[in-house]
Amino acid sequence: EAGVAQSPRYKIIEKRQSVAFWCNPISGHATLYWYQQILGQGPKLLIQFQNNGVVDDSQLPKDRFSAERLKGVDSTLKIQPAKLEDSAVYLCASSLVAGTDTQYFGPGTRLTVL
Amino acid sequence: GNSVTQMEGPVTLSEEAFLTINCTYTATGYPSLFWYVQYPGEGLQLLLKATKADDKGSNKGFEATYRKETTSFHLEKGSVQVSDSAVYFCCVLATDKLIFGTGTRLQVFP
Repeated sequence: EAGVAQSPRYKIIEKRQSVAFWCNPISGHATLYWYQQILGQGPKLLIQFQNNGVVDDSQLPKDRFSAERLKGVDSTLKIQPAKLEDSAVYLCASSLVAGTDTQYFGPGTRLTVL
Repeated sequence: GNSVTQMEGPVTLSEEAFLTINCTYTATGYPSLFWYVQYPGEGLQLLLKATKADDKGSNKGFEATYRKETTSFHLEKGSVQVSDSAVYFCCVLATDKLIFGTGTRLQVFP
C-alpha cells in the first residue's frame, strides 16, 4: 500500500514570495491533515479536512495561509506572502476516519524562507 | 487545554542499555495515547498506541502502558540498539486533535 506522498521535499524562497505544497493521502482515507513542525518542536495542526470539507482550521494563519482539498483526495497548502517565521517542515497526514484512528504521515516538505 | 509534557533530550545511552522516556498528559474525556518516532531523514511513524486505561502498547521491543491515575504513558525498552537512534514524540488524541509533545532525541552509541 502506498503511503502519503508529498512534494516538493525541499523549498527555499525569499520572504514575501509565495509557495505551494502538495499532498496525496493514502487511498481511501477520508481525513487529511496539514501540520507545521518548527525545528525543535512537535508538529502543530494547521488544518483538518474530512473529504473535501474543512473540519478544523482554528490554528491556520488565514491572512497568509490557505488550503484546499478539491474532490476530497489530494490537497494543496499555500503560503502567500511568506515570512521568515514560516521556515519549518510542513507535514501532511491522513487517516481512514477522524477520532481514534491512527494518522499516517508523509515525509514532509522542508521550507526555508530567507 | 489538552497538552503533553515529555522529558527533554538528548538522551544518550550505550547499546543494550535500558531506556525510559517519560511522558505525562493533560486531556479531557478518554483520550488515546501514541508514541511516534522520527528516524533521521524520514517521516513520522507510529511506534505504538493505547486507547484505554491500563492498555499496553508494544512494538519493536518498545512498550508503554496507559496509566490514567498518573496521566502518564512512559516509553520503555529493555535493550536499545544503535538503530533506535531517533526523535520520539508522545502524543494525545483528544477531541479529535492529535497533540504532540516537543520530542525527545535518543542517541545510542556502540
